[in-house]
Amino acid sequence: GAVVSQHPSRVICKSGTSVKIECRSLDFQATTMFWYRQFPKQSLMLMATSNEGSKATYEQGVEKDKFLINHASLTLSTLTVTSAHPEDSSFYICSARDFRDRGDTQYFGPGTRLTVL
Amino acid sequence: KQEVTQIPAALSVPEGENLVLNCSFTDSAIYNLQWFRQDPGKGLTSLLLIQSSQREQTSGRLNASLDKSSGRSTLYIAASQPGDSATYLCAVTQGAQKLVFGQGTRLTINP
Repeated sequence: GAVVSQHPSRVICKSGTSVKIECRSLDFQATTMFWYRQFPKQSLMLMATSNEGSKATYEQGVEKDKFLINHASLTLSTLTVTSAHPEDSSFYICSARDFRDRGDTQYFGPGTRLTVL
Repeated sequence: KQEVTQIPAALSVPEGENLVLNCSFTDSAIYNLQWFRQDPGKGLTSLLLIQSSQREQTSGRLNASLDKSSGRSTLYIAASQPGDSATYLCAVTQGAQKLVFGQGTRLTINP
């Protein structure tokens, strides 16, 4: 149980285009999902916290108009990188927290590799 | 602002050795500390979670300790195997379930 999927696993796009990444909890409902980015050989940096039915909470320094987050259902959150540029190339990972879980476990997706040409 | 540091950044040891990975954090007001494994180009696999009230957790050949007052944790791997080669990340949980990660230790176990 507790599986989180991401789609696509890898995407290459041209500069200026927008890219949508999906994060799904497959066998549980997640009121809260988290989006991270990871640069090569660096650690994960939290970008935003996504709450079902409400606006996402962005970390300091993360442009909310650049990285649009929608958490429309209890099993799906999407991250849209708008007008992508080469500096947005990174590994994006989501995690989800089971709303029934009173502990602190976050279940991580396999990540999405974004390359902007 | 919480900062998490992992030492060493990289480690290469022969198969069969016991080894210790270190993690330190600057703010002791944490809910828990977790150790994760990340294979190249992949997501994270949770290895061990230590609540702030606990001192250690064990799973198979892995043992993690936590000294919250000194801001330190160690991950001990016994009888290392080539399949243990990966990047190991530690992370602390603070308010609103936010995880703050260290930069990781890239571990290579040589056959």
